[in-house]
Amino acid sequence: RKEVEQDPGPFNVPEGATVAFNCTYSNSASQSFFWYRQDCRKEPKLLMSVYSSGNEDGRFTAQLNRASQYISLLIRDSKLSDSATYLCVVNQGNTGFQKLVFGTGTRLLVSP
Amino acid sequence: EAQVTQNPRYLITVTGKKLTVTCSQNMNHEYMSWYRQDPGLGLRQIYYSMNVEVTDKGDVPEGYKVSRKEKRNFPLILESPSPNQTSLYFCASSLSPGGNAKNIQYFGAGTRLSVL
Repeated sequence: RKEVEQDPGPFNVPEGATVAFNCTYSNSASQSFFWYRQDCRKEPKLLMSVYSSGNEDGRFTAQLNRASQYISLLIRDSKLSDSATYLCVVNQGNTGFQKLVFGTGTRLLVSP
Repeated sequence: EAQVTQNPRYLITVTGKKLTVTCSQNMNHEYMSWYRQDPGLGLRQIYYSMNVEVTDKGDVPEGYKVSRKEKRNFPLILESPSPNQTSLYFCASSLSPGGNAKNIQYFGAGTRLSVL
């Protein structure tokens, strides 16, 4: 079993749609969680950290379920510019040491 | 502008010819790291450095070397490249080695390496 698993997609959605991605992780001791966005052949960039209580940043909402060991990302009112690969990232280290494990990514294609 | 700079961006080389990929950050970050990204495998850590003169192996260190003589620079060295090292490489840095949610990693633009 992979340490961090994501559905590779692609998810094809029309503009304005709501789309959700899930990610599961295997290490229950994982401390912190992130969603990164990666455009084709470019570097990953932080989209948002994921907090236990859930957090929202504009059209993006992230949730964490520690009991079930999954993280979700919800994108509302999808824009063409949201087309990218979304990487789920889990820190398996601790507060003093980071050990980031990356999922393989979920590809999103938003069409007009 | 705060950034992580990698060079070269693209490199084609032949088996056995030593090469170095440079990485520099201007944010005074303590932690730096090298990853490789391959289709279907995601990003995998090669080496990391928690501070000057402190480096350690990541998950896939075989065939690579690093050094951290200065805080800003973290070069990746392939002493004898082989075709299985053909990949997309990213350098990254973060303020500290800590693993809290606010300690964000910043990535360089990537180096696409082909070893023939």
